[in-house]
Amino acid sequence: GAGVSQSPSNKVTEKGKDVELRCDPISGHTALYWYRQSLGQGLEFLIYFQGNSAPDKSGLPSDRFSAERTGGSVSTLTIQRTQQEDSAVYLCASSFLGGINEQFFGPGTRLTVL
Amino acid sequence: GESVGLHLPTLSVQEGDNSIINCAYSNSASDYFIWYKQESGKGPQFIIDIRSNMDKRQGQRVTVLLNKTVKHLSLQIAATQPGDSAVYFCAETDTGRRALTFGSGTRLQVQP
Repeated sequence: GAGVSQSPSNKVTEKGKDVELRCDPISGHTALYWYRQSLGQGLEFLIYFQGNSAPDKSGLPSDRFSAERTGGSVSTLTIQRTQQEDSAVYLCASSFLGGINEQFFGPGTRLTVL
Repeated sequence: GESVGLHLPTLSVQEGDNSIINCAYSNSASDYFIWYKQESGKGPQFIIDIRSNMDKRQGQRVTVLLNKTVKHLSLQIAATQPGDSAVYFCAETDTGRRALTFGSGTRLQVQP
């Protein structure tokens, strides 16, 4: 498709389990971002990729959170030993790299930790 | 820390009226600002952006105003329609950072 896609759309897991969330950015977009949106809240930055490297990981809340990007395209956000406070919508965005450009968002993955 | 905030959590307007959503930011280094619209169950959708070398930018039915002196951003929607009902977020960043800092959002309710 033409837009950012994310999978799964919904994920329910048990506390302590690991989860992987996937993002497919818009073709040609070299910058990729992960954000988290808790219920009724604004978006919180997690990590930014420039190509396959992550020059800004400042938003990752703990060492249980990690992300990688391969081939300058698909990115995976992994949360280990999930906690109930990890429940949120995880949003991915992509943009062209040059200068500051509009970030296009995917539909998000709603994560529920029981 | 640096933050972006909104004055009104909910704005209710009549269909056909003009809407104004306000946003204050605190990072004086911010040089790029965006307004996003988010409908229930969807990701944020770009509405309009503005760079710090401008104080006004117009799109289709929308205008963004930037006042760098008081660090204030506003979104004006002309002839508001029921389809405009959503949560609106302002966001800002600077050239060196790229990651967006979002406000907490304003819910716009358009009454028919």
